[in-house]
Amino acid sequence: QVQLVQSGAEVKKPGASVKVSCKASGDTFSEYYINWVRQAPGQGLEWMGRINPNSGDTNYPQKFQGRVTMSRDTFITTTYMELRGLTSDDTAVYYCAKTLRGDYLDDAFGIWGQGTMVTVSS
Amino acid sequence: SYVVTQPPSVSVAPGQTATITCGGNNIGRKSVHWNQQKPGQAPVLVVYDDDDRPSGIPERFSGSNSGNTATLTISRVEAGDEADYYCQVYTSETDHVGFGGGTKLTVL
Repeated sequence: QVQLVQSGAEVKKPGASVKVSCKASGDTFSEYYINWVRQAPGQGLEWMGRINPNSGDTNYPQKFQGRVTMSRDTFITTTYMELRGLTSDDTAVYYCAKTLRGDYLDDAFGIWGQGTMVTVSS
Repeated sequence: SYVVTQPPSVSVAPGQTATITCGGNNIGRKSVHWNQQKPGQAPVLVVYDDDDRPSGIPERFSGSNSGNTATLTISRVEAGDEADYYCQVYTSETDHVGFGGGTKLTVL
């Protein structure tokens, strides 16, 4: 069964960076996009971008451009999301999510990771 | 950016039908997906491509999409359906994914 397992909770100071990992198992790693979505406490879901694990191509919304980098290591079927210049507004649960059927841009997110809590506090 | 709008809350008695809407300009031309999120848990896909269900999702969950409104319908609502529901759409013009603000379903 396909699973996405994320790294553990992080506590960071303002201005620092955080790098969250997402390991995929049970399926062909390169055939599905991995998206990253975050959720601030008591708030809704916010899309942060996507990576094509096959090519390494990424796409980020303007809000995060210049501050986020998504990467992958195909040998260990793991994708990463690094966010720099953290502020208290970045305190959130960060999820990775795999497309349902393959490398379709408008595809649903069929499998979600368990989430990683990132707390930014001085 | 493309904006999708959901009602903040919907309440329904057990056994009744819950209807959750997702509004957007000509949303009927897009594929809409619905995610269910229970407190403290990751979201779970319950409907994709407007009206398809992933394996393991009960037939009580159904969807439709036309004009400016997509709809998630939950028939014979159970206490376990109480959750936040988020619609999700992709915009080809920007190559971006967007979520509605979420609807909290309360089972009375």
